[in-house]
Amino acid sequence: QVQLQESGPGLVKPSETLSLTCTVSGGSTRSYYWSWIRQPPGTGPEWIGNIYSSGRTNYNPSLKSRVSISIDTSKNQFSLKLNSVTAADTAVYYCARDQALTGLGWIDPWGQGTLVTVSS
Amino acid sequence: QSALTQPASVSGSPGQSITISCTGTSSDVGSHNLVSWYQQHPGKAPKLIIYEVNKWPSGVSNRFSGSKSGNTASLTISGLQAEDEADYYCSSYAYTTTPHVIFGGGTKLTVL
Repeated sequence: QVQLQESGPGLVKPSETLSLTCTVSGGSTRSYYWSWIRQPPGTGPEWIGNIYSSGRTNYNPSLKSRVSISIDTSKNQFSLKLNSVTAADTAVYYCARDQALTGLGWIDPWGQGTLVTVSS
Repeated sequence: QSALTQPASVSGSPGQSITISCTGTSSDVGSHNLVSWYQQHPGKAPKLIIYEVNKWPSGVSNRFSGSKSGNTASLTISGLQAEDEADYYCSSYAYTTTPHVIFGGGTKLTVL
C-alpha cells in the first residue's frame, strides 16, 4: 500500500522560498503523476501541480510563475519549491498521487499533510 | 481560476439521502468526465470517495454515488450515518491556458 510523507520547515519568512519533500513508500515513483495540493486554514484545497517520472510537469496557472516541482526516482522522492512567499501561502501542504493517465484526474492516496506558516 | 461552486452546507437526518452539487463551466466540469469527490474529517487529509463522475475506489461504500449533467456534477449520500458528517469537496480537470485540476469550495455536511 502506497504511503506518502511530507517533510520540510514549518515556518518560512516572507519573500523566501518554501521547500518541501515527499517520500513515497510501498510503491515506486517511476509510474503515476505525483502531486502537491495545499489547503489554507478554513478553506478548500488548491491544486499546486504535479510531475511524472519523466520530469513532465503540470502547474496551476495561478501559481506557475512561482512554483517548481522536481522528482528523484532513485530516492523515491519528489519536491516542491514555492518562491517569494507571503502570508497568503500559509497552508497545510499535502503530497499525493494522481491516478489518472493524464495526471489530471483523481488523487489517491494523500499524505497526512504538513502545516507551513509564512511569518517573520 | 475560480473554484467550482458548492453549497456551503447541507444537513440531513440519519437514514435520509442528501445531494451536494458542484457547478463549473464548459472548461472544467462540462469538458471531461474527470470529476472526483473527496471526504474530509477535521484534522485529516481528504479521502477519495468518487472518481470519473460515478466510480467507486476500492473500499468506499456504495451509499456514495455521483452523477453529472452539463456543467454540474452531484454527489448523493444515501442512508446517512453519523460518520458521514464531514466536509466534501469536488474536483475536476480544467483547461484555461494550460491543463490543471480545480477544486470546489467545499460543503459541510451535518447529520442531525
